[in-house]
Amino acid sequence: GAVVSQHPSRVICKSGTSVKIECRSLDFQATTMFWYRQFPKQSLMLMATSNEGSKATYEQGVEKDKFLINHASLTLSTLTVTSAHPEDSSFYICSTIGRAGNTIYFGEGSWLTVV
Amino acid sequence: AQTVTQSQPEMSVQEAETVTLSCTYDTSESNYYLFWYKQPPSRQMILVIRQEAYKQQNATENRFSVNFQKAAKSFSLKISDSQLGDTAMYFCAFMRPTGTASKLTFGTGTRLQVTL
Repeated sequence: GAVVSQHPSRVICKSGTSVKIECRSLDFQATTMFWYRQFPKQSLMLMATSNEGSKATYEQGVEKDKFLINHASLTLSTLTVTSAHPEDSSFYICSTIGRAGNTIYFGEGSWLTVV
Repeated sequence: AQTVTQSQPEMSVQEAETVTLSCTYDTSESNYYLFWYKQPPSRQMILVIRQEAYKQQNATENRFSVNFQKAAKSFSLKISDSQLGDTAMYFCAFMRPTGTASKLTFGTGTRLQVTL
């Protein structure tokens, strides 16, 4: 069964609004979660590492104020795209390290369309 | 920093045949994990196979096997008896051990098309 659940799978929002994507660890407590963005026909680009109870670590070039990450519990991390623009339209996917610490499992991903 | 290179943007194989996808990586670490993930059109990332660097034996999962050459920093994926459902993007990935800021570093991917 699924180890990581991501919601919503698809969302459409208007330009200027904010949208929140949730990532839940189903089988275990996840102190660390990762958020990726994938452009068409490209690989996954790590945006940030979400740490439970502390601030997220963002990769170079990722706007912290635009992509807000909250990891308030051991089973839930959220990514909020603030003041969304059409160029933020993309596929976003989260992941977490499995219980054994030697595998990373992914959520189903979320398609964001900003109109 | 670690880098992962997949030199084959696209590959094609006929059903029931065997295909090998290439992956090389660069790291100064001695202990790490290597993965192959499959991404079908649904975009779900599916773990295909995992290899621990300290294990000399090549990992195998049913029709999928790897050729892990640690000295050469090579990690190729062999798919035997290819099936139409194997059509997908395949990503090679590197991960440092947990506890050392581990995160996945991906290659650029290889698009595999299985044909009749």
